[in-house]
Parts: sequence; C-alpha cells; structure tokens
Amino acid sequence: QSALTQPASVSGSPGQSITISCTGTSSDVGGYNYVSWYQQHPGKAPKLMIYDVSKRPSGVSNRFSGSKSGNTASLTISGLQAEDEADYYCSSYTSSSTYVFGTGTKVTVL
Amino acid sequence: QVQLVESGGGVVQPGGSLRLSCAASGFTFSSYGMHWVRQAPGKGLEWVAFIRYDGSNKYYADSVKGRFTISRDNSKNTLYLQMNSLRPEDTAVYYCASRIAADFKDWGQGTLVTVSS
Repeated sequence: QSALTQPASVSGSPGQSITISCTGTSSDVGGYNYVSWYQQHPGKAPKLMIYDVSKRPSGVSNRFSGSKSGNTASLTISGLQAEDEADYYCSSYTSSSTYVFGTGTKVTVL
Repeated sequence: QVQLVESGGGVVQPGGSLRLSCAASGFTFSSYGMHWVRQAPGKGLEWVAFIRYDGSNKYYADSVKGRFTISRDNSKNTLYLQMNSLRPEDTAVYYCASRIAADFKDWGQGTLVTVSS
C-alpha cells in the first residue's frame, strides 16, 4: 500500500492554470476509475473536489477538473485564485479492496 | 445537511487502547458505507478502514490490521474505531468520512489521538 506519488509543490499566478499529477500503478489508479481529489486548508478537514476521475460534487467550482491517462491521474485548476492555496491530495481504490492516498501537493498562489 | 462528529480522542500510553466514535446525522446512516482516515501531525492523509453499510464487510490498511476494529451501530447512527496495541506512530487526527455517492464525500472535524508515555 505505497502512497500515490504527487509533486510536493506547485505554484501559479492568479488567473493561470496549474495541473497536479498523481501517479500510481495498474493495481490502483490505472485499474479503476475511482480516483478522487481533495482540498485541505490548514487546520481544516479535507474537502472532496473531484470523484470518479472527473466528476464534480455539487457546489464545487467548475474551475476544478480531473482526468486520467494510464497510471497517472491529474487535477487541473484553471483561473487560479488566492483561495485555491491549500494542500491537495488524490486517492484511489485498489485491487486489494483498500484505498490509498497520494503524498500531497502544496499549491501556492504567487 | 450531513454532519459527522468524531469524539473519543486523547492521550494514551503505548500499548494502550482507545475507542473513537463518529456520530452521524442529516442522512440515512444505515444506507452508506463509512471510512476512517488519519493524518499524523504535519503529514499526509492515510486511509485506515472501511465498513459497508450493513457492517457485513470490513477492510483495513496493513498498518492497523489486527490492532484496529471498525464497527457501526445503525440504531444509534454511530461509527466506531476500536484501537488496541497503540503505537507512537498511530498519533494522528482521525477523521470519519462518508461514502454517499462517492468515497470520502463528507468529513468530520477530526479527533486527535496522541500515543505517548
């Protein structure tokens, strides 16, 4: 159950687009369309932003989008805003009927 | 609206036990699976355990298998995590999270467990 690999940090200027990658294996990310993404502000609980690779829960801005290619999933934030500065985590269902989270990415708005 | 409220955290010595609770409201608790997720101080999220809506199946992370037990009481709308043989590396904020339409859809505010002598 090794954690999925994410870049430690990603930054961008307001209005720009950024993409966060989440790399796993064929036993997790590559094997199922059950990849989700979470936003976590300091001291707060995580918030679901994307589920089932590319679906957005009600109330989540359409500036957030998800995709997957092979064993790597991606979260794109377009029109970056100051409030998007947070930690982001991916997760995936696995072939062992368990779940695994990513290592986390700190997004900085310059 | 969905509300999840964890309780039961605290300081415990290595080798000790603790039982966490997660009180659910705002949805039909007995219809949905539930997760426990933890986050060590300054670290990332770690999935801990999952239980199906009726308690028929339970799944655990290797790091807690054999020491932690997830359970639920649908008559009380409450999820539990019994933690035995606690280790310093179990120190974390423990969150319960729902599986309503999506895994980890709704989260509680978390409860802090500190394992230290």
